[in-house]
Amino acid sequence: SQQGEEDPQALSIQEGENATMNCSYKTSINNLQWYRQNSGRGLVHLILIRSNEREKHSGRLRVTLDTSKKSSSLLITASRAADTASYFCATGTVYNFNKFYFGSGTKLNVKP
Amino acid sequence: DTEVTQTPKHLVMGMTNKKSLKCEQHMGHRAMYWYKQKAKKPPELMFVYSYEKLSINESVPSRFSPECPNSSLLNLHLHALQPEDSALYLCASSPPPGQSSYEQYFGPGTRLTVT
Repeated sequence: SQQGEEDPQALSIQEGENATMNCSYKTSINNLQWYRQNSGRGLVHLILIRSNEREKHSGRLRVTLDTSKKSSSLLITASRAADTASYFCATGTVYNFNKFYFGSGTKLNVKP
Repeated sequence: DTEVTQTPKHLVMGMTNKKSLKCEQHMGHRAMYWYKQKAKKPPELMFVYSYEKLSINESVPSRFSPECPNSSLLNLHLHALQPEDSALYLCASSPPPGQSSYEQYFGPGTRLTVT
């Protein structure tokens, strides 16, 4: 499968703590994106990092990309109960701009 | 308008029924997608339309038939489905290549149950 793997599969933390989730992928990528999905609903785009970038910030989110290791991490700082959701990475290939592969996802539970 | 809408929200159909899922966006996006998502799994790409033409079919069974009548609408026609086709069906759209963003905008999904 060309889909990536994410770890951990599940993560439970207290409000205020930081949450880190990792994504590994197999093919050469054009970009990598992170999405959030609240239970049984549509996905919401969080942040995109291009293959020539190493780190990107957006509010409480920090994403890193290591193309030599084919891996990315998403850090959510000062987590809130509202951050409870599933988080997926999605890779866009260099071969087709319209084709995205989603990782297996990390289910984050932030306890108040 | 930065929204992708999907109808219906829920659909229950028998294995002999014919039904359609609808998706609409008015963001001027020229790529539209259908994904299938089973419980506790990531979305799986089914079809991609680019400029109203089918550009990707991920070996989806013929009982699923996509249609893109115009740049704002995307349909998924369903016929003779199996119980294992029960899932959340997600529609998404994205800006044309060449623009700065490749992000996808997702609709809320249609929860399909096949009985």
